[in-house]
Amino acid sequence: GAGVSQSPSNKVTEKGKDVELRCDPISGHTALYWYRQSLGQGLEFLIYFQGNSAPDKSGLPSDRFSAERTGGSVSTLTIQRTQQEDSAVYLCASSLRALNVDSPLHFGNGTRLTVT
Amino acid sequence: AQSVTQLGSHVSVSEGALVLLRCNYSSSVPPYLFWYVQYPNQGLQLLLKYTSAATLVKGINGFEAEFKKSETSFHLTKPSAHMSDAAEYFCAVSGLNDYKLSFGAGTTVTVRA
Repeated sequence: GAGVSQSPSNKVTEKGKDVELRCDPISGHTALYWYRQSLGQGLEFLIYFQGNSAPDKSGLPSDRFSAERTGGSVSTLTIQRTQQEDSAVYLCASSLRALNVDSPLHFGNGTRLTVT
Repeated sequence: AQSVTQLGSHVSVSEGALVLLRCNYSSSVPPYLFWYVQYPNQGLQLLLKYTSAATLVKGINGFEAEFKKSETSFHLTKPSAHMSDAAEYFCAVSGLNDYKLSFGAGTTVTVRA
C-alpha cells in the first residue's frame, strides 16, 4: 500500500507560534517513531509509539514538544511556542512491529520546519 | 547504549569508481545494523540490513556491506558509482532488544562525471 505520509511538507512559522505536524503511517504498522534531523547532524530520536502501550517520550527535547497517536494510526507532533532552534526536518517512521531486523523502519518524506 | 560512528562527512567519487563508506559500531553484543539512503527532499530508504545470517549483506542498487566483528565495522561499498548514487547515507544500529535506531551523522556522496 501507500508509504508513510507526512504533512505539511514545509512549514514556516514565526517564533512563539505553535505548530502541528501530522504523520499517517503505513496501514497495519503498529510502531510509529518521530525523529528530528537538524542541518549537518544525524537523526535524533524524539518519541516512539507501540500499539496501546505508553509511548517512550525520552527523546523529546523540552516540555514544549508533545505527540499523540489516535486510534493506533495517525500521529500528531505538536511544538508549542516555537523557537529558532526548533528549525529542522521532522521525520516520521513506522514499522510492522517493534523494530527488529525483520521489521525495519519505513520513513516518510518529512516536514521541513522553519522558525523565523 | 548502542552508537555508530561514520568516518567522513563527505565523500566524492568519480562515476564508475568504487564507493566506500565507513561505519563503526559500539556494542558488546551483536547488534542489528542498517544502512539507509536519503535522496534530496525525501525520507530515508532502507538499503540493507545485517541479519547475522551472513557477514556479507547485499542490498538494493548494487550496494553491499560486510560485518566484521573483530573490527566492529559495517562498511558500505559499491564497485562502480553511478550519478544516481549521489545522496546522503546513514548507518544505524539497534540492540537486539531495543526498539530505537541510533543513527550516525551521515555521509554525503557526490559523484563526478
